[in-house]
Amino acid sequence: SAVISQKPSRDICQRGTSLTIQCQVDSQVTMMFWYRQQPGQSLTLIATANQGSEATYESGFVIDKFPISRPNLTFSTLTVSNMSPEDSSIYLCSANSGESGEQYFGPGTRLTVT
Amino acid sequence: GQNIDQPTEMTATEGAIVQINCTYQTSGFNGLFWYQQHAGEAPTFLSYNVLDGLEEKGRFSSFLSRSKGYSYLLLKELQMKDSASYLCAALDSNYQLIWGAGTKLIIKP
Repeated sequence: SAVISQKPSRDICQRGTSLTIQCQVDSQVTMMFWYRQQPGQSLTLIATANQGSEATYESGFVIDKFPISRPNLTFSTLTVSNMSPEDSSIYLCSANSGESGEQYFGPGTRLTVT
Repeated sequence: GQNIDQPTEMTATEGAIVQINCTYQTSGFNGLFWYQQHAGEAPTFLSYNVLDGLEEKGRFSSFLSRSKGYSYLLLKELQMKDSASYLCAALDSNYQLIWGAGTKLIIKP
């Protein structure tokens, strides 16, 4: 298993600003993922953070809006850029523990954009 | 396309048994996961099935039929703390998780 921490746990930001969310895993993992979850809805994958290469983005998400870093096998950041109220959501970091594909989740970052 | 279907909401009584169904259509298949998510918290892993049949883990069991694209999560001896959303997710051929919208389970005394 893996224990994942995220910072900040929550933030209230003004429109047009950017926020960087940090994700730390207590062990080396191959794959890290960033999700968004709107209230009452399921998880939407934003991108897969690859160590040593650019992140792989899902349809509807672009690097300019959600730049991601993955400097090593235990850490990743997601930046939400030029925020608008529509970006208000919970952002979750997760890591793949190995062959089975089981994912462990961080506690999430609750973002409110005013 | 890829799709996961599960009921939006279910209600059950404390001490009873409830079965949450999930059907999936994915490009390839490498297993089926169930996660529990309490309100305001991150999902936590419950079970993983890749072979047909029933996997039992305490009060929770999970079943998979690959030929039918079907799984269920069975919760026995329901407790109030089991009130949560239960997410079904299938692992596709690229080892990417395809998530269902979740089933909100309400437990009544």
